[in-house]
Amino acid sequence: NAGVTQTPKFQVLKTGQSMTLQCAQDMNHNSMYWYRQDPGMGLRLIYYSASEGTTDKGEVPNGYNVSRLNKREFSLRLESAAPSQTSVYFCASSEEGGGRYEQYFGPGTRLTVT
Amino acid sequence: AQSVTQPDIHITVSEGASLELRCNYSYGATPYLFWYVQSPGQGLQLLLKYFSGDTLVQGIKGFEAEFKRSQSSFNLRKPSVHWSDAAEYFCAVGPAGGYQKVTFGTGTKLQVIP
Repeated sequence: NAGVTQTPKFQVLKTGQSMTLQCAQDMNHNSMYWYRQDPGMGLRLIYYSASEGTTDKGEVPNGYNVSRLNKREFSLRLESAAPSQTSVYFCASSEEGGGRYEQYFGPGTRLTVT
Repeated sequence: AQSVTQPDIHITVSEGASLELRCNYSYGATPYLFWYVQSPGQGLQLLLKYFSGDTLVQGIKGFEAEFKRSQSSFNLRKPSVHWSDAAEYFCAVGPAGGYQKVTFGTGTKLQVIP
């Protein structure tokens, strides 16, 4: 099992460019998440998907969109990148939503917007 | 709303010394509590979790944590630290019922000196 995979690992964008971060999990989990990690801020939830076909906003959704393509894949799109979106992005999945279940994290994508 | 506080941003310990990382939470009832570890350049990995039962929880890599309801704390401990324990540690709280999001603390970075 690969667990949670993310592509790309690193990306540099210019302000205004768009890109999609890809995430896939092979654990048959229902719930998936996108977080950003910034120094001193911990992890902040951008969007989550409780199950296939549903998505909801998290704490910091502005400037992002998501797609739950199928049960395995959950992508994050930046339509017009801004320097404030420079961060490390983590995708995670869990068996179900709520507080009970452990989240499994991917290795992250380091994004720099210049 | 639930919240998590990790009061120590950075801790330095000598190899072989004991370790205690602090975590305080705010939540109306008994939550699920987690400790995750993040090695440099990696995603987060679960160390241990608590919901009910014995208030002393054993985790992987020789870590344990104690839930103290009266102090709203869930501190992480290890009797003897190894150089490989150098990492960032995150406490997290998740609600016991319904679909709500897990909240992560801002993290404590552990440095281990020889």
